[in-house]
Amino acid sequence: GNSVTQMEGPVTLSEEAFLTINCTYTATGYPSLFWYVQYPGEGLQLLLKATKADDKGSNKGFEATYRKETTSFHLEKGSVQVSDSAVYFCALSSSNTGKLIFGQGTTLQVKP
Amino acid sequence: KAGVTQTPRYLIKTRGQQVTLSCSPISGHRSVSWYQQTPGQGLQFLFEYFSETQRNKGNFPGRFSGRQFSNSRSEMNVSTLELGDSALYLCASSLGNPGQVNEQFFGPGTRLTVL
Repeated sequence: GNSVTQMEGPVTLSEEAFLTINCTYTATGYPSLFWYVQYPGEGLQLLLKATKADDKGSNKGFEATYRKETTSFHLEKGSVQVSDSAVYFCALSSSNTGKLIFGQGTTLQVKP
Repeated sequence: KAGVTQTPRYLIKTRGQQVTLSCSPISGHRSVSWYQQTPGQGLQFLFEYFSETQRNKGNFPGRFSGRQFSNSRSEMNVSTLELGDSALYLCASSLGNPGQVNEQFFGPGTRLTVL
C-alpha cells in the first residue's frame, strides 16, 4: 500500500541554520505530495505542494522538489527562525480526493 | 472567510459511552474528511464525505461512523468508546472537485479523552 516515511525527530537547530527534513514515499501511479505544519494547539496548515515529477513547491522560504526517481520530497529552508518551531508532516494523495496519507511527523525546535 | 470549525474542542468520556463530534467546513466546500491523531499511530484517515455520500473510508472498525448534511456540515460518531480512542480528531474541508488536487483546510481538532 501507499506510505510515507519521514526522518525521525526532534530536530534542534540554531536560528539562521539550514534545515532539511527528509521524506520518502511509496505509491502506485503519480501521487500528489504535500508538506503540512502543525503549531502547538492548532490544526494542520498546508505549507506547500507538488503535483507532478520535478515540480518544486515553495512557501515562506520553504522548498521541496518532487523527485520521482528517488521517490522523495525533502523539505528545505535556508535560514530557520524561532517561529518555525512546529511539527512538520509529509503527506501524499494518490486519488486526488480527501484521503491523505501522512508520515509520522518531525518536530523542529529552533533556538535563538 | 471563516475557517473550519470543530465542536466541541475538548471532550471527556468514559469507556462504553458514545460520542458525536461536529465539523463545519469552509463555506462552499463540499468535501469533509476526518482524521485521528495519536502519539503512537500518528495521523490516520477515517473517512471522507462529499455531497452527503461517503467517498472514501480508512481502516477503522464499524464503531466509527459519520455523516454529512445538505449544508456540508459533518458529524462523526464513535460508539462503545475504548481507552485507545483517546486522540485528537481533525476535520478537513476542501472543494472536493473530482480528479483535481484540492487543497485541504484543517480545523483545530477535538481532543477526546476516554477514561
